[in-house]
Amino acid sequence: DADVTQTPRNRITKTGKRIMLECSQTKGHDRMYWYRQDPGLGLRLIYYSFDVKDINKGEISDGYSVSRQAQAKFSLSLESAIPNQTALYFCATGDSKETQYFGPGTRLLVL
Amino acid sequence: DQQVKQNSPSLSVQEGRISILNCDYTNSMFDYFLWYKKYPAEGPTFLISISSIKDKNEDGRFTVFLNKSAKHLSLHIVPSQPGDSAVYFCAASAGSNYQLIWGAGTKLIIKP
Repeated sequence: DADVTQTPRNRITKTGKRIMLECSQTKGHDRMYWYRQDPGLGLRLIYYSFDVKDINKGEISDGYSVSRQAQAKFSLSLESAIPNQTALYFCATGDSKETQYFGPGTRLLVL
Repeated sequence: DQQVKQNSPSLSVQEGRISILNCDYTNSMFDYFLWYKKYPAEGPTFLISISSIKDKNEDGRFTVFLNKSAKHLSLHIVPSQPGDSAVYFCAASAGSNYQLIWGAGTKLIIKP
């Protein structure tokens, strides 16, 4: 079984819709992260959480919100999706800066 | 302004030869550097890292070199194998900040 799972793997939605991407991890790490990847760009950090009560904005948090429901669960919401949020979204977990463990990604298309 | 740059979008190398992937950075506060490998439809996986107090770190076929004065690091893969075909990302962090700043990636293609 995968250590970091993301659901859904693919999603098509319309402009203005609210959607949630979910992430679960079984590694027991406190730190969790949400990234997005766009063509020709590296991964950019959206939000990160060092424990259930600690949530921080990353480089590109505008238009996104997160919820850390438990140590193992970290969800990302787009309150009102827009086309430039079309991207590949990755969740990751880690207990040190040496290594982050990534989920398989969610491919999101906003029409 | 990209703080971590991988200027080669792709690289093609013959199987058995050396692959050299390059990464440049602009932030002198970066003190930890990592390379991740990504296959299609999968998330990135950690490959190798180096602290700024070192100039070389080796792990099997993979070696990372750091040139602080040039703000440049490179990943050497010797010998290159077909399974090494993937996208390679360089990432960096500064101090106790656990945020990673990522390059755009280089797609490595190993030719048989």
